[in-house]
Amino acid sequence: DQQVKQNSPSLSVQEGRISILNCDYTNSMFDYFLWYKKYPAEGPTFLISISSIKDKNEDGRFTVFLNKSAKHLSLHIVPSQPGDSAVYFCAASGSTGGGNKLTFGTGTQLKVEL
Amino acid sequence: DAGVIQSPRHEVTEMGQEVTLRCKPISGHDYLFWYRQTMMRGLELLIYFNNNVPIDDSGMPEDRFSAKMPNASFSTLKIQPSEPRDSAVYFCASRPGGARGYTFGSGTRLTVV
Repeated sequence: DQQVKQNSPSLSVQEGRISILNCDYTNSMFDYFLWYKKYPAEGPTFLISISSIKDKNEDGRFTVFLNKSAKHLSLHIVPSQPGDSAVYFCAASGSTGGGNKLTFGTGTQLKVEL
Repeated sequence: DAGVIQSPRHEVTEMGQEVTLRCKPISGHDYLFWYRQTMMRGLELLIYFNNNVPIDDSGMPEDRFSAKMPNASFSTLKIQPSEPRDSAVYFCASRPGGARGYTFGSGTRLTVV
């Protein structure tokens, strides 16, 4: 059972525009969420995170929004750049029980076109 | 720090052969994780260790898979016998206690023919 879902396998955006990547989760025990970015032939690298006590976290061009009632989070990239083309994974963890492990989604391939 | 180091980067083997994947975590990180990446399931957790002790191996697909961590600086994931459906990219990751995010290695791409 997929507890973290990324329903869009791919997304194509023009350079300079906003990219919005979405993620849904089912486990109400999740209280910490992360986004990882992955280039081909490399391991995933941490991008940005958010705790459930917040609804927004911003880091430069990257902003993550969390809607706890809807069990939904999104990653906004503004403005999008060609170097942002990669696979983006959403991940979640809980502070109790499985708090030591991250549950990942299936990823969204972002392509930023010139 | 050199980061999480995995070897080999690529492995091609014949069905039925034993395969061993290796991982060196970042020094001082007391959690180590093995993940497998597939198109259908994304990144799925196979097993993780805390202070060299296996904590949760519920993601290990079947008895053909085994993992060990003999010391704080080395872990192996073994598949015996290997099957074509084991073909995937296998990642090792580590983190210090108290942190919520991991550092991943570059992965091992396994192809079983």
